[in-house]
Amino acid sequence: QVVLTQSPSASASEGASVTLTCTLSSGHSSDSIAWLQQRPDRGPRYLMKVSSDGNYKKGDGISDRFSGSSSGAERYLTISTLQSDDEGDYYCQTWGTGFHVFGGGTRLTVL
Amino acid sequence: EVQLVESGGGLVKPGGSLRLSCEASGFTFSTYDMNWVRQAPGKGLEWVSSISKSNSYIFYGDSVKGRFTVSRDNAKSSLFLEMSDLRADDTAVYYCVRERTGGWLDYWGQGTLVTVSS
Repeated sequence: QVVLTQSPSASASEGASVTLTCTLSSGHSSDSIAWLQQRPDRGPRYLMKVSSDGNYKKGDGISDRFSGSSSGAERYLTISTLQSDDEGDYYCQTWGTGFHVFGGGTRLTVL
Repeated sequence: EVQLVESGGGLVKPGGSLRLSCEASGFTFSTYDMNWVRQAPGKGLEWVSSISKSNSYIFYGDSVKGRFTVSRDNAKSSLFLEMSDLRADDTAVYYCVRERTGGWLDYWGQGTLVTVSS
């Protein structure tokens, strides 16, 4: 079954940009993923779906500061002009027939 | 506006049972597959169960198979999770989640906390 790998933590200064990475396991480099944001003490929020060709489809009301891209088995989430309320946990998610899988999450700290 | 509101969480003893509910609004519930996802305290997300829009397909994660039962009532726009033989490691916030055709999970409730402890 597919495994999603994320770095446990990332940090960047307010106003800067940061790119988070989600890596699909061997044999799954064509799969799409979704990015989720979870602010402290909140439920997750869908940000976007990212396909293997780099196209991405954002959820309702998601800021233009969020974008997605792909390269091989890696899927990226870039957040530009970081703000303090971007701080939180970011998860990638993928799916198959009868299952869903999540990465371990990346905790983003805005300095 | 899409809303998913979970209820039914609480404190239960090991081996006990609990029934979670999720009331959906703001969309045509009967046209979407639905899921339960949980998050243990301080941990990541774990998929629990999926049910197709017409109840045709039901799936469970390995850790809950045989103990949890998912169901839905499309007439009442509601999703349910019957949990039995609960264990300490079932302690988590349980989220009701809508699934888009294609597989991604696009709307999440705020969650309901289930605590299994003696």
